[in-house]
Amino acid sequence: NAGVTQTPKFRVLKTGQSMTLLCAQDMNHEYMYWYRQDPGMGLRLIHYSVGEGTTAKGEVPDGYNVSRLKKQNFLLGLESAAPSQTSVYFCASSWEGAGPRETQYFGPGTRLLVL
Amino acid sequence: GENVEQHPSTLSVQEGDSAVIKCTYSDSASNYFPWYKQELGKGPQLIIDIRSNVGEKKDQRIAVTLNKTAKHFSLHITETQPEDSAVYFCAASNNQGGKLIFGQGTELSVKP
Repeated sequence: NAGVTQTPKFRVLKTGQSMTLLCAQDMNHEYMYWYRQDPGMGLRLIHYSVGEGTTAKGEVPDGYNVSRLKKQNFLLGLESAAPSQTSVYFCASSWEGAGPRETQYFGPGTRLLVL
Repeated sequence: GENVEQHPSTLSVQEGDSAVIKCTYSDSASNYFPWYKQELGKGPQLIIDIRSNVGEKKDQRIAVTLNKTAKHFSLHITETQPEDSAVYFCAASNNQGGKLIFGQGTELSVKP
C-alpha cells in the first residue's frame, strides 16, 4: 500500500514550457486535491476533484488545469510555465466512501523551478 | 471565504518544555480542525484532529483545544523532544467537498 505518490520529484522548466504532474493513490479515495506550498503562505488549494470525471477550482487555479480520468489518478498541468509557478506542489486524497471526508493524506511533493 | 490565521510563525523551545501553537478561523460553519506535521522534504502528515462537538482531545503528548465561541483552536505539545522539530499546520473545514483551509505554518525547533 503505497498511499499517495507523485511524479516527478523535481523538475526545472523554462518560462513558457509545459508539463504535467501526476498524482496516484491506491486507497480507493473519492476526493483528490492539488496544493502549492510557498514560504510563509501555508498550503493553498489549486484544484480539487470529488470523483472520477469531476474537477473544481480552488483558491489559486489560474495558470493550471487538471484532469481526473481515472479514480486513482489526478493530473495537474501547466500549459505555459511562469516563474511565479516556482513552488512545491502537493497532492492529497481523502474519503473512501465512508467515514470522515476531510482527513487528507498527502504525497511527498514535487519541487518545480521555473527559470 | 474562510481564512485561518496561525501564530507564531516560528517557535523555539528547550527539550522537555511545552509548545503551544494557536489558530483562529473566520467561518463559523467550520466544524473540523486538523493539525498536520511536516518534516523537512516530506509531505504533511495528520497528527491530531478535533470536531466542533468536542472541546479538547488528547493523544499522548499532543492535545488540541477548541473554543467555538472565540473561533480559535490550539495545539499543545508537552515534554517536547528534538524529533518534534518540524513545521506544523492547522486547518479548518466546513465540509464542502472535504476542502481544508490551512494556516501559514509554524516552524518549531526543539533544542537539546
